Amino acid sequence: DVKVTQSSRYLVKRTGEKVFLECVQDMDHENMFWYRQDPGLGLRLIYFSYDVKMKEKGDIPEGYSVSREKKERFSLILESASTNQTSMYLCASSLELAGPGYEQYFGPGTRLTVT
Amino acid sequence: AQSVTQPDIHITVSEGASLELRCNYSYGATPYLFWYVQSPGQGLQLLLKYFSGDTLVQGIKGFEAEFKRSQSSFNLRKPSVHWSDAAEYFCAVVSIYNQGGKLIFGQGTELSVKP
Repeated sequence: DVKVTQSSRYLVKRTGEKVFLECVQDMDHENMFWYRQDPGLGLRLIYFSYDVKMKEKGDIPEGYSVSREKKERFSLILESASTNQTSMYLCASSLELAGPGYEQYFGPGTRLTVT
Repeated sequence: AQSVTQPDIHITVSEGASLELRCNYSYGATPYLFWYVQSPGQGLQLLLKYFSGDTLVQGIKGFEAEFKRSQSSFNLRKPSVHWSDAAEYFCAVVSIYNQGGKLIFGQGTELSVKP
């Protein structure tokens, strides 16, 4: 069965802290994604990666960075957390980038609160 | 730019009643369209997707959606709603020419089910 796991379901951090959100997929997928979800705004893409050590900015990359050292793991980094980064963060993976087989599989999400 | 609009933020239906959730997209080429569902505290699960061919698409859990190019719509339907369908529903589009194969999500529609 397809599985995407995220290291924490809930996280509370202080302003200015460096925060790491980890995502692991066990499907040998090439592509991985980080979204943030806010009420009324849906999901917005932060960064994605289509290969190990490769990354592309999404729609809202400011204040975030990512790391993909291994195919199965994709990390989202908040270099200096701010209160406006309080949100639900969702990780996803897909085998293809486009085409009829395209489907993204999502993890359960990490609810991050920055105080 | 591509966009997805879900006009209804919140819908309440009685158990056993029919359901239609609206989705309109803005996209120049042939869209790939998706409906995802998010139960409370969970990640997103794919309900169905449209790539080409028959414009009426069947999905899981008794859902279906109809692609109408003339109306730029991809509405989700279910003939008889169950209490377990209470969740948030997201419509999304992906560009087949986009190097990133990014999903663009609508704002979401929260469904409540009355007993």
